[in-house]
Order: sequence, then C-alpha cells, then structure tokens
Amino acid sequence: TQLLEQSPQFLSIQEGENLTVYCNSSSVFSSLQWYRQEPGEGPVLLVTVVTGGEVKKLKRLTFQFGDARKDSSLHITAAQTGDTGLYLCAGGTGAGSYQLTFGKGTKLSVIP
Amino acid sequence: GAGVSQSPRYKVTKRGQDVALRCDPISGHVSLYWYRQALGQGPEFLTYFNYEAQQDKSGLPNDRFSAERPEGSISTLTIQRTEQRDSAMYRCASSVLESREGPPNEQYFGPGTRLTVT
Repeated sequence: TQLLEQSPQFLSIQEGENLTVYCNSSSVFSSLQWYRQEPGEGPVLLVTVVTGGEVKKLKRLTFQFGDARKDSSLHITAAQTGDTGLYLCAGGTGAGSYQLTFGKGTKLSVIP
Repeated sequence: GAGVSQSPRYKVTKRGQDVALRCDPISGHVSLYWYRQALGQGPEFLTYFNYEAQQDKSGLPNDRFSAERPEGSISTLTIQRTEQRDSAMYRCASSVLESREGPPNEQYFGPGTRLTVT
C-alpha cells in the first residue's frame, strides 16, 4: 500500500510569515500533485511536478519534487489570509497518473 | 461553464438500503474518477473510466460497490446493502484527456455527495 505522510497536520501562522509543508512517502510516484481544498468544496489542483528535483514557482508558492520522486515540499512566502485552507499532496501512478494517492492534508490558518 | 456536478449533495439512508450517487462531469471530459473521502483524510481512489469503459476498479472496497458510465458521460456509483462504515464524502472528478501513458491529466473535482448511513 502506498502512503503519503504530510506534516505538519495543522499549522497556524501570522500573516507575512513564511512556511513549509512536507509530503513524504517510501514509494516512488510518476507525478506529485498539490491541491488546495476549501470547506464544502472539492480539491483544486495547484501544481503538478513530474521530474525528480523539479522546482516550480507559482507566485508566492514554491513546490519541489525530491530527487528520488518520493517526497515533495510546498513553501509559501509572506503568507496571506487568503492562503488559509487544506493543502493536500497526491502521488500519481498509472497511465496519465490516473490513480491519485492523497495524503491527509495540512490545515493552514493564516491569522491577520 | 459548469464544473463537475454531483447529486444528491447529501444523502441519509438506513443500513441495508441501496443508494445511487450521480456524477455529471464537465462537458467533453472523457475520463471520470470516483473517490471516497473520510473526515480528516484525503480522497481515496475507487475507480475510473475512459469514456464508457471502466479501466480500473481496484479501489472499490468490496462487491457491494459498483459504478457505471453507460454513455461515456454521466456516471453512477451504486452501493448495495449500505453499512455504517460506508458513511463518507463521495467525490467525482473528470479530466479532459483520456488517461493513458504520458503526462498526468488534471482532474477537476466535484463538490461531493455526503452519505450518512444510520
């Protein structure tokens, strides 16, 4: 069974601070995706990384895929209250990464 | 443009009853996926379709669960003889491309159906 461990499970920070959340596994994935989920909504894709060592930046968000394609991190610079939400990582396997294995998520609260 | 829609949004049923959950994917999306999300957990893969063909049902927990997509559009997830442990949020997702070897497809998730078995 492939498992993705996310840490921390909960994170509460002040607006303007930086933060990093982690996603670790003992399994290799063909892709690693990060989603954000708001209460009552489905997850929304933020980014997909496919190459070991890959780094992608999306405004204040930086995503990194580990060299061995088993782990990933999400770094947010100068957090804003609008960043509050549940961040999920998902490892993709199968053709087109159809099968996503999700972690339990990191619940981020950014306090004004 | 409409996103993925699911109905009903909430379903309360008694143990032993059958339920049918509906997913209406984004128009033109050829792949459709079913997930189950327990409280405090990430979604768990159940099954998926390319067009009307069910490609992988390895995530279905047991033979009480089945899914179909007869015309390659709307899909129904059916749970027979429901049990309390079936209570969860059931999510559907769709992607514009057929899932096949190559770059990962972006999956667009619906709002889910919250199933409660009493």
